[in-house]
Amino acid sequence: NAGVTQTPKFQVLKTGQSMTLQCAQDMNHEYMSWYRQDPGMGLRLIHYSVGAGITDQGEVPNGYNVSRSTTEDFPLRLLSAAPSQTSVYFCASSLAGSGANVLTFGAGSRLTVL
Amino acid sequence: AQKITQTQPGMFVQEKEAVTLDCTYDTSDPSYGLFWYKQPSSGEMIFLIYQGSYDQQNATEGRYSLNFQKARKSANLVISASQLGDSAMYFCAMREGLLWDNNNDMRFGAGTRLTVKP
Repeated sequence: NAGVTQTPKFQVLKTGQSMTLQCAQDMNHEYMSWYRQDPGMGLRLIHYSVGAGITDQGEVPNGYNVSRSTTEDFPLRLLSAAPSQTSVYFCASSLAGSGANVLTFGAGSRLTVL
Repeated sequence: AQKITQTQPGMFVQEKEAVTLDCTYDTSDPSYGLFWYKQPSSGEMIFLIYQGSYDQQNATEGRYSLNFQKARKSANLVISASQLGDSAMYFCAMREGLLWDNNNDMRFGAGTRLTVKP
């Protein structure tokens, strides 16, 4: 049982380059989300989705795009990377529909933008 | 908007002693869930304990307990009999809406770094 799988684990980009962080889950979770973690700021929500075809913005959505074409996959796209997007990114998923549902996290992706 | 506050950037505790990590929250929704996660130096996020806003009793999971004071809007994590392996970052989080409601995003506090001394 793989849980939440994120790729790549590490990535270095130059300013202005684009890339996609991949996230896949095999738990049939309706809810999927992306967070970024920066020192002293905890985890901040970027985008989330409650099902295929449905996405919404979180606290810090600027500079990021998402789509949800299947239940399993929720990729995060950086269209034109900036040094401010240097961070550790976490994908997480859960059942939808209740605030009691626990989020299961991927292992994280460390992104450096030069 | 929901807000989570962890006022202790760092805490130290002696091995085998108990420690309390503070968390306060702000929400206008009467239905919500409170969570604690542990992040060791390896980086993964590990779920520890959950408390629902309507739960009458404080949640407990092994050496972890949640001191839930609803009127004060606090949800402190208590770790009993600290072990060296408890050294990690600890995050408090909240999710609004316990009933059927799709907008259940989870928001996190800034975290507390706990160091257990031998």
